[in-house]
Amino acid sequence: EVQLVESGGGLVQPGGSLRLSCAASGFSFSSYGMNWVRQAPGKGLEWISFISSSGSPIYYADSVKGRFTISRDNARNSLYLQMNSLRDEDTAVYYCARESLAATGSRLYCFDCWGQGTLVTVSS
Amino acid sequence: DIQMTQSPSTLSASVGDRVTITCRASQSISSWLAWYQQKPGKAPKLLIYKASTLESGVPSRFSGSGSGTEFTLTISSLQPDDFATYYCQQYSIYWTFGQGTKVEIK
Repeated sequence: EVQLVESGGGLVQPGGSLRLSCAASGFSFSSYGMNWVRQAPGKGLEWISFISSSGSPIYYADSVKGRFTISRDNARNSLYLQMNSLRDEDTAVYYCARESLAATGSRLYCFDCWGQGTLVTVSS
Repeated sequence: DIQMTQSPSTLSASVGDRVTITCRASQSISSWLAWYQQKPGKAPKLLIYKASTLESGVPSRFSGSGSGTEFTLTISSLQPDDFATYYCQQYSIYWTFGQGTKVEIK
């Protein structure tokens, strides 16, 4: 069964740091690009970062550029998001999401598998 | 940045109704558009990609159409399991989601 499980969320003060993890299982993790998407309470979805299957290229949304760092460890089937200089507006459920691949192996660019999410609350 | 605008924001409908949700892009995105369904407290689920391709396992009552800047998601006969929030997503340049359309029971 394809599965993504996020962890590492919690309560952090403004200006603080947090590291999220996403453990993948049931598929060849090293073959897939991965993303982080967040959802503030009662709000819509916001894509925040992408990392390719090999680890490069990497992209960020402007809202987190310079503060968040995405990384992956293909040997451990894990995706990470290092979040620094956290702000109140970073409060959200954070999802990891797999980029879909066609049967031929070509990228489809949409997200076909999502974790259950981990809640990050930034508050003093 | 490419902005995605969905309409309506909320839609009230009954079981069996035909439902259409519109998504407009701020610039042409060809057919690089996906639709997702999200239920409260759950992760989004991919329904349609490349504007009109149904994801494996998704019921055929869901369909997508459009290209360029205007797209639609249609549910041909609304079922009880379909009451949820729907998001469009462009992936022409990076990734951007629409603000969502909540389909609620009339």
